Amino acid sequence: QLQLVESGGGLVKPGGSLRLSCAASGFTFSNFYMSWIRQAPGKGLEWVSSITSGDSVYYADSVKGRFTISRDNAKKSLYLQMDSLRAEDTAVYYCARGTHSLPAADWWGQGTLVTVSS
Amino acid sequence: EIVLTQSPGTLSLSPGERATLSCRASQSVSSNYLAWFQQKPGQVPRLLIYGASSRATATPDRFSGSGSGTDYTLTITTLEPEDFAVYYCQYYGTSFPVTFGQGTRLEIK
Repeated sequence: QLQLVESGGGLVKPGGSLRLSCAASGFTFSNFYMSWIRQAPGKGLEWVSSITSGDSVYYADSVKGRFTISRDNAKKSLYLQMDSLRAEDTAVYYCARGTHSLPAADWWGQGTLVTVSS
Repeated sequence: EIVLTQSPGTLSLSPGERATLSCRASQSVSSNYLAWFQQKPGQVPRLLIYGASSRATATPDRFSGSGSGTDYTLTITTLEPEDFAVYYCQYYGTSFPVTFGQGTRLEIK
């Protein structure tokens, strides 16, 4: 059964760091694009970052230079290292599976809440 | 960047009626890269339509997608009570960034 489970969210002060993880199961993780998508409280969906099966990475301008996406295919895990966090990064962060060649989002995890506040 | 503008912002209809939701792109996009999602309160977004018109697994056939170029439409032919939710369109081509529309709230009239 296909499953994505995020972890690592929590409360962090502005300027702090956090590392999110997404554990995948039920599919051949190494073959798929993976993405992080976030949703601020009461707001819409915002794409954050994607990584291809070949480890090419892409970022939204709002996080470029502060966030780093990575994957460990042996552990079937996706990561998001978030540094220099700001209040506007407060959101539920979802990991999502793409296709072999596109940053689609056909399956989502349950999300993990990141709150940036002093 | 491809900006997606959804209309209307809120759509008020009754069960049994037909819903038409619009998504307009700021520039022409391949229909291969246009998706629709449904999100109910407190729930994770769910993929409904990909490639502009292909239904995802478990998407009821009362949902259909159409369009090309800059104009895309999600149609729900006969609204069921469980269809009242927020709907988002998404561009997911490899000309990054991936973008989402701002959403259309479909509410019970």
